[in-house]
Amino acid sequence: QVQLQESGPALVKPSETLSLTCNVSNGSISSSFWSWIRQSAGKELEWIGRVYFSGSVIYNPSLKSRVTMSLDTSKNEISLILKSVTAADTAIYFCTGGSYFGYYFDQWGQGIAVTVSS
Amino acid sequence: IVMTQSPATLSVSPGERATLSCRASQSITTKLAWYQQKPGQAPRLLLYGASTRATGIPARFSGSGSETEFTLTISGLQSEDFAVYYCQQYEDWRTFGQGTKVEIK
Repeated sequence: QVQLQESGPALVKPSETLSLTCNVSNGSISSSFWSWIRQSAGKELEWIGRVYFSGSVIYNPSLKSRVTMSLDTSKNEISLILKSVTAADTAIYFCTGGSYFGYYFDQWGQGIAVTVSS
Repeated sequence: IVMTQSPATLSVSPGERATLSCRASQSITTKLAWYQQKPGQAPRLLLYGASTRATGIPARFSGSGSETEFTLTISGLQSEDFAVYYCQQYEDWRTFGQGTKVEIK
């Protein structure tokens, strides 16, 4: 069973860049479409973007100007970079996998809580 | 596409049936998924294609609907079913509803 584990800083200052990594174990990074999803304190879920090993990447239009997602196949890792963060980016960030073009998400990491604060 | 779930909270006794609704702001055909989330855990995929159960999901979970109106039915609620349920469309990008909390009556 594929396991996903997010890692990164718990605290980021406003206007700085958030960098998160998701390690994929017990499976191949080429086997799924990988997305990042975040959940704010109000419990709303927001899809950030999706990346595939072919290089295909799509982003939520509302975040597109600040987001970069990529894969490192040698490390079996997915990365997320979010620039110019504000308090509105405070959330739990989940790494997810989906087999059908990443339309829905059947594999989830446990999530990593990120707070944006000075 | 805006997804609206109702009710916000549903109080149900164990063994009874729970019916949750999800409405899309425009037609999404059957491009809808449902998730269950328990406190401190990541969401778990229950259904996709509006009515197809994901691997390992019990038959008491069923889904129906198309276009803009969808329903998740949980028949014979068990203790482990009390949780928050989200719908998600994938017709146009991906967006989630705000969730319905199913609590013990």
